[in-house]
Amino acid sequence: AQSVTQLGSHVSVSEGALVLLRCNYSSSVPPYLFWYVQYPNQGLQLLLKYTSAATLVKGINGFEAEFKKSETSFHLTKPSAHMSDAAEYFCAVIRSGGYNKLIFGAGTRLAVHP
Amino acid sequence: DAGVIQSPRHEVTEMGQEVTLRCKPISGHDYLFWYRQTMMRGLELLIYFNNNVPIDDSGMPEDRFSAKMPNASFSTLKIQPSEPRDSAVYFCATRPDVNTGELFFGEGSRLTVL
Repeated sequence: AQSVTQLGSHVSVSEGALVLLRCNYSSSVPPYLFWYVQYPNQGLQLLLKYTSAATLVKGINGFEAEFKKSETSFHLTKPSAHMSDAAEYFCAVIRSGGYNKLIFGAGTRLAVHP
Repeated sequence: DAGVIQSPRHEVTEMGQEVTLRCKPISGHDYLFWYRQTMMRGLELLIYFNNNVPIDDSGMPEDRFSAKMPNASFSTLKIQPSEPRDSAVYFCATRPDVNTGELFFGEGSRLTVL
């Protein structure tokens, strides 16, 4: 069965600092991995996705994530945090090959301080 | 495209009342998902449809919950009778086809059962 674990339910950074949100996955077959962002009172929107092409994936708003099979990780990073990045971030996994259940992690709430 | 449209955005009702949440998917998307989000349990998949047919309802909490998709442009999630523990944000999400992992979310319906 597929699952994702997000380490840290809350992360706080200063504006301009590096953002690192951690995600580890468990999958018996090559997975597709996603990061979604949820701003207050809104639905989730896709930040980026890994679908077995390049291991370093670039997304919107300056975010990127690297798929590391040896570490079963898919951590999300951004070199310099902006106040507008404050939101909740969800890692998600789906098994490649058409299995339809997208499994979400518990989420990490990112706070950005001036 | 207008995206996934959900209504109502907010619903406050009393215990025992019937609640109906509505979703208009993105045109041409073959898959429709209903998720529930709470602080305690995070994002839970309740049910999903493929070409209007319910495929997996194993996440539906109990018989008080039912979902329908009478046509490709409309789905409902009904709770009857509602209970305070049903208070949550309910999201509808759609997906173009089996080969696309990405989900497109609506803005959610926030339900409060008093």
